[in-house]
Amino acid sequence: AQSVSQHNHHVILSEAASLELGCNYSYGGTVNLFWYVQYPGQHLQLLLKYFSGDPLVKGIKGFEAEFIKSKFSFNLRKPSVQWSDTAEYFCAGSKEGNMLTFGGGTRLMVKP
Amino acid sequence: SAVISQKPSRDICQRGTSLTIQCQVDSQVTMMFWYRQQPGQSLTLIATANQGSEATYESGFVIDKFPISRPNLTFSTLTVSNMSPEDSSIYLCSVDSQGLTSEQYFGPGTRLTVT
Repeated sequence: AQSVSQHNHHVILSEAASLELGCNYSYGGTVNLFWYVQYPGQHLQLLLKYFSGDPLVKGIKGFEAEFIKSKFSFNLRKPSVQWSDTAEYFCAGSKEGNMLTFGGGTRLMVKP
Repeated sequence: SAVISQKPSRDICQRGTSLTIQCQVDSQVTMMFWYRQQPGQSLTLIATANQGSEATYESGFVIDKFPISRPNLTFSTLTVSNMSPEDSSIYLCSVDSQGLTSEQYFGPGTRLTVT
């Protein structure tokens, strides 16, 4: 079965620390990958997406993610987090059609 | 991107009753999706709603419990029937990006509490 997994369930960082959230997928072949963010009290927003081409994709708010096919990974990174990055982050993937599969989510808390 | 609204934003319902959640999009879209996000958990797809055809339900979800309507290309409803406390969740609708890339836009969600 196709799946997406996020190994970090809760992450606590201080402001200015670097962030890397892990995401692994189990799809074979062509895959579309996404990172969504859900700020407290707000709805899901798309951070960035990978369809093909350059494996390093840049999204909004200084986030980036790298698609590493050999590792089946699509980790999210940010060099210096801010308090306003406190949110829940979801990795998602799809192989064909429009069926998204979500990872379990990672709750990030940034301490001021 | 699409702008999606949901009604109600939240509700508290009694066991055994039903609630219909509405999802409105500001543009015509082919596919609409309904998800459930149980407390502290990730999103689980309930069903895919295409205009003019029956909704397609994921494993573990049935039409009798979660009937869906899709009368046109900008609107859908999800009914949570015969509710129990286990149905307490956030219910979200989303729409596709009009392509095959699976990028979806999400509504604000409906927070349902069943007592």
